Amino acid sequence: DTAVSQTPKYLVTQMGNDKSIKCEQNLGHDTMYWYKQDSKKFLKIMFSYNNKELIINETVPNRFSPKSPDKAHLNLHINSLELGDSAVYFCASSPGQTTNEKLFFGSGTQLSVL
Amino acid sequence: GEDVEQSLFLSVREGDSSVINCTYTDSSSTYLYWYKQEPGAGLQLLTYIFSNMDMKQDQRLTVLLNKKDKHLSLRIADTQTGDSAIYFCAEKGSGGYQKVTFGTGTKLQVIP
Repeated sequence: DTAVSQTPKYLVTQMGNDKSIKCEQNLGHDTMYWYKQDSKKFLKIMFSYNNKELIINETVPNRFSPKSPDKAHLNLHINSLELGDSAVYFCASSPGQTTNEKLFFGSGTQLSVL
Repeated sequence: GEDVEQSLFLSVREGDSSVINCTYTDSSSTYLYWYKQEPGAGLQLLTYIFSNMDMKQDQRLTVLLNKKDKHLSLRIADTQTGDSAIYFCAEKGSGGYQKVTFGTGTKLQVIP
């Protein structure tokens, strides 16, 4: 059973469209994250939720809206997609301790905006 | 903000030791981590060290931390072709829900 699973694995879409990426974890963790990895493999945090509450919100355009219906799910909706949004998006989870945050990553969603 | 830097590329021969280096700027870092990313996959935690330690050994992996110089290294003994991947160091600051900041990643190539 996959611990952190995200869908879809690949997403190819036109500029201006709206798309969603879903993430689910079965580890019983309290905290979930979205990270963006660019073409140079640089990894940057976008959002973090703890027990459905937003706790980290980096400087991300308003077109990106995370939603956490429960602590096992964190979805990412992107409006009006732009070329620069092309990247690999990783979902992750952690136990939610405020000390040692060991992150468990999904396998990524490669988003290509044409 | 926090900054974590690594060299981009390292090439070693199979059986040799690999040393991947990392520098960071956050003096309040509490935990420092090493993650491994294989092609087409997510990151996987390899090991971590608490900031009041200066060394941690875990089988073929040795982590060294120089807190004064804010320098972290990962030594892989007897490097194998299966160790070829991108290695990321990461740090977490102190207090509350601090984010984990990742380094730029070092691509390790193991030559048979």
